[in-house]
Amino acid sequence: KAGVTQTPRYLIKTRGQQVTLSCSPISGHRSVSWYQQTPGQGLQFLFEYFSETQRNKGNFPGRFSGRQFSNSRSEMNVSTLELGDSALYLCASSLDASGAKETQYFGPGTRLLVL
Amino acid sequence: GENVEQHPSTLSVQEGDSAVIKCTYSDSASNYFPWYKQELGKGPQLIIDIRSNVGEKKDQRIAVTLNKTAKHFSLHITETQPEDSAVYFCAASRGGGSQGNLIFGKGTKLSVKP
Repeated sequence: KAGVTQTPRYLIKTRGQQVTLSCSPISGHRSVSWYQQTPGQGLQFLFEYFSETQRNKGNFPGRFSGRQFSNSRSEMNVSTLELGDSALYLCASSLDASGAKETQYFGPGTRLLVL
Repeated sequence: GENVEQHPSTLSVQEGDSAVIKCTYSDSASNYFPWYKQELGKGPQLIIDIRSNVGEKKDQRIAVTLNKTAKHFSLHITETQPEDSAVYFCAASRGGGSQGNLIFGKGTKLSVKP
């Protein structure tokens, strides 16, 4: 089975721009979560989508948003980019985030640099 | 909310020695505890996980122990090899559903010297 894929792998943007990152979960997985990883704050939860609905949200400003499509693929968007948004953005998928199927598998991440 | 603390932040061992990484959590409702290994330029890779109804789990050279009363869990790697060098993260969650997000520790950089 193919793993979690994320595109693009690297991205350079300037302050004020917006960016869209894409994630394709493992086939059959219905839940997609997004995390931000920085040297200072570590791995922090952004949001989770299940059946095209945002089911859980972390403590990030409204500039960070996402969506999920009917095939479980997900996108996240960051508007009005700030220098502090430079980070590795990780997507994780799980089979069905209910009961005992909560194991999350991560993709390789998208490294975003904001200049 | 949940807070996960991880120690040590760096760990250097000789090849063949054992390595132990410890984590504590604050939320007594947490019931799922995975460990991830992250190599340079890659995403975190799940290496082992444990649920709160189990006290210990082993997979070859890797073992995890959980003490629910004390709210701490540990990763044990035996017979370390240079390829074990990476950053290791512990995490905790309330399990699946709408509360399934992982809360991570800050990571431990493990160096295994040949």
